[in-house]
Amino acid sequence: DTEVTQTPKHLVMGMTNKKSLKCEQHMGHRAMYWYKQKAKKPPELMFVYSYEKLSINESVPSRFSPECPNSSLLNLHLHALQPEDSALYLCASRKGGEETQYFGPGTRLLVL
Amino acid sequence: SQQGEEDPQALSIQEGENATMNCSYKTSINNLQWYRQNSGRGLVHLILIRSNEREKHSGRLRVTLDTSKKSSSLLITASRAADTASYFCARGGDMRFGAGTRLTVKP
Repeated sequence: DTEVTQTPKHLVMGMTNKKSLKCEQHMGHRAMYWYKQKAKKPPELMFVYSYEKLSINESVPSRFSPECPNSSLLNLHLHALQPEDSALYLCASRKGGEETQYFGPGTRLLVL
Repeated sequence: SQQGEEDPQALSIQEGENATMNCSYKTSINNLQWYRQNSGRGLVHLILIRSNEREKHSGRLRVTLDTSKKSSSLLITASRAADTASYFCARGGDMRFGAGTRLTVKP
């Protein structure tokens, strides 16, 4: 299995909702990433997990809460989001000792 | 962008022509990576060039790196309509992406 999967593909939520994005990989990669990408902009790094521990938080608002329950799974819990949080959320993983990141197809989020 | 700039921002060419995209970065790197993104989808890794390399090839792709100018270029030869996508450079390590070049290849 050489892919990163993300669910759901699309998500519409209100500003009072709580939802979660899920990312999964079975390549044995021990580094996992969340990115946010606005239209016609590059991906922006949000969080990095290394060996299931949060190693980088790029000053992301607390309404985004990451979780890494095990080495294959990465979640992003969403609560009280704002319309400006609407974007494509990308997950990626990387094998230890290598630089290449493998990206999932993304979750397109719309906050109403 | 988080790290540097890419130019051009958009490029439109005919099938069979070559496409060149440039990337500049601001701080020193261990490596520079190029990724492709089809419309609204995930990114696909194309090629990685290390700071001690000057040129690298992969199929129809040629990447150069000039660390003295803090710049890199991606050349796609004999372009195809399927090459239509956005292309991003990213600094290895902290994965800061450039602004990207939107390439359109007309059949």
